[in-house]
Amino acid sequence: LAKTTQPISMDSYEGQEVNITCSHNNIATNDYITWYQQFPSQGPRFIIQGYKTKVTNEVASLFIPADRKSSTLSLPRVSLSDTAVYYCLVGDADNYGQNFVFGPGTRLSVLP
Amino acid sequence: NAGVTQTPKFRILKIGQSMTLQCTQDMNHNYMYWYRQDPGMGLKLIYYSVGAGITDKGEVPNGYNVSRSTTEDFPLRLELAAPSQTSVYFCASGDSAYEQYFGPGTRLTVT
Repeated sequence: LAKTTQPISMDSYEGQEVNITCSHNNIATNDYITWYQQFPSQGPRFIIQGYKTKVTNEVASLFIPADRKSSTLSLPRVSLSDTAVYYCLVGDADNYGQNFVFGPGTRLSVLP
Repeated sequence: NAGVTQTPKFRILKIGQSMTLQCTQDMNHNYMYWYRQDPGMGLKLIYYSVGAGITDKGEVPNGYNVSRSTTEDFPLRLELAAPSQTSVYFCASGDSAYEQYFGPGTRLTVT
């Protein structure tokens, strides 16, 4: 089971790019990296998933170095509405029940 | 599509009572999950299902039971409620384990 480590909290200002890094030193060959976002009093929402290199969608980018021991979620030009908790999960679909652990996440506060 | 719906939204139980948390999805997903989230913490997996008739335990299954008789429904049963089960419960579904769609949650208090 790949353990992940993220910063507990981060502050940013509106319009800035925010990068949240997740460490997963014992990631396995079949593991994928998935990020979720959770607003207060709501369930988490899938943001992005990747295996290696770079993945981009309309919400965020995910950067994964060659050794895959870490990953960085990049949020371009954040707004106040991006204030949320961001979770990094590492696991493979064959063990979906056991692998996907939502740790405490990173609490991002976007300031005006 | 309504997505994932959960009922009730809120519930207060007395110690020793039982209840069923309902979860329904209309996206024809095979995979469904139940999580609990304690204040300020991440989510912990209680049970999951990969299809109708198939369920398995997650990280914290004690005190809970599930069934999956249809693709759409995945109820969570609490037997003999205890204060330690006070939490917010989320149901989720998905085509794969990676991309899960979450319901709005049920806030349960056991006193």
